[in-house]
Amino acid sequence: DVKVTQSSRYLVKRTGEKVFLECVQDMDHENMFWYRQDPGLGLRLIYFSYDVKMKEKGDIPEGYSVSREKKERFSLILESASTNQTSMYLCASSPGQTNSPLHFGNGTRLTVT
Amino acid sequence: GENVEQHPSTLSVQEGDSAVIKCTYSDSASNYFPWYKQELGKRPQLIIDIRSNVGEKKDQRIAVTLNKTAKHFSLHITETQPEDSAVYFCAAKAGNNAGNMLTFGGGTRLMVKP
Repeated sequence: DVKVTQSSRYLVKRTGEKVFLECVQDMDHENMFWYRQDPGLGLRLIYFSYDVKMKEKGDIPEGYSVSREKKERFSLILESASTNQTSMYLCASSPGQTNSPLHFGNGTRLTVT
Repeated sequence: GENVEQHPSTLSVQEGDSAVIKCTYSDSASNYFPWYKQELGKRPQLIIDIRSNVGEKKDQRIAVTLNKTAKHFSLHITETQPEDSAVYFCAAKAGNNAGNMLTFGGGTRLMVKP
């Protein structure tokens, strides 16, 4: 069974702090994604990566950056956290084949005060 | 880019009744339409998907239909049970995007009353 692990389930940070959200998958998947989940807005894609050191902007990349130095790890970085980045963050991975299902992590609920 | 609208945002049904959730998409090049279920406090999981060369797909009590001309697709759950209570997300993937990037709808909270 695919395991996607997010380092923290709950995180509280102050405005202006630099925040790192870590995600690790154990199935050698090529694709990795960071989504943000807000009520009524569904899952919105922040960034994704289809290979090591490759990254592509999603629908809402502003205020975020990512890093993929190793195939199994995809990090989301908030350079200077703001209160409007309070949200649930979901990491996902999928194999490189077309139309492969996404495997999600349990999510990190980030609160920025 | 792709835009996916999902309705209704909440749906309450009696156990045993059917539930229907509808989604529309904007990009006529989209060719893959999965549905994810997220139970309370858990991660979203794929429950069924359909490709653009198919009009309908069934898996036990759930079915998905696709109307390419109208650019809409629907999830049908028959004989609903309390364990069907969850948030359901539809999604669409444009045909020419790398990395299988999906655009999700806003979600439907389904409540099945015993």
